[in-house]
Amino acid sequence: DAKTTQPTSMDCAEGRAANLPCNHSTISGNEYVYWYRQIHSQGPQYIIHGLKNNETNEMASLIITEDRKSSTLILPHATLRDTAVYYCIVRASYADKLIFGTGTRLQVFP
Amino acid sequence: NAGVTQTPKFQVLKTGQSMTLQCAQDMNHEYMSWYRQDPGMGLRLIHYSVGAGITDQGEVPNGYNVSRSTTEDFPLRLLSAAPSQTSVYFCASSRGGVRITEQFFGPGTRLTVL
Repeated sequence: DAKTTQPTSMDCAEGRAANLPCNHSTISGNEYVYWYRQIHSQGPQYIIHGLKNNETNEMASLIITEDRKSSTLILPHATLRDTAVYYCIVRASYADKLIFGTGTRLQVFP
Repeated sequence: NAGVTQTPKFQVLKTGQSMTLQCAQDMNHEYMSWYRQDPGMGLRLIHYSVGAGITDQGEVPNGYNVSRSTTEDFPLRLLSAAPSQTSVYFCASSRGGVRITEQFFGPGTRLTVL
């Protein structure tokens, strides 16, 4: 699986969009980009995933660059409840494993 | 649906003791996995299973055993606990067999080994 690089931490004002970047420059054609988040000490929670096209669901949007070497998770209107560690993961469609890195700690402030 | 349940929530062991962490899911998911998370760190995959009777090793399998006799249950056994195994353990499940889709995580078991 391709390695991902994320900033260690980010801040965002409540109500503003939170844009979390992820670099995956060694990604291959059959690898998906997944995003999970972990609030405090709870189990991680799935947010979104994509292959090539941008994706949107009720939680977030995922923007993948045309060369697929990086992506951005967008939380359109961040709330205090979005304070969490966000993990960007790259996984091949046939792979059995989901390998987590250390993620980005997002702090949403009032 | 209860989702993914883990027992116990907390456990303290002495070095050398053995124990089993329980994980169960009621979503009929083929895929189940165990992760550990050390303080301030990300999750590391211990073992996983793509279906009943099939298990495989993850990143950090040493000191742990698993078995998958039913679709619902995936227990994790610590053979001889060591202080280095102090961690929070998360179980997860997903549908789809080898095509992992969204993984659902349990609430975790917080284990301390003295």
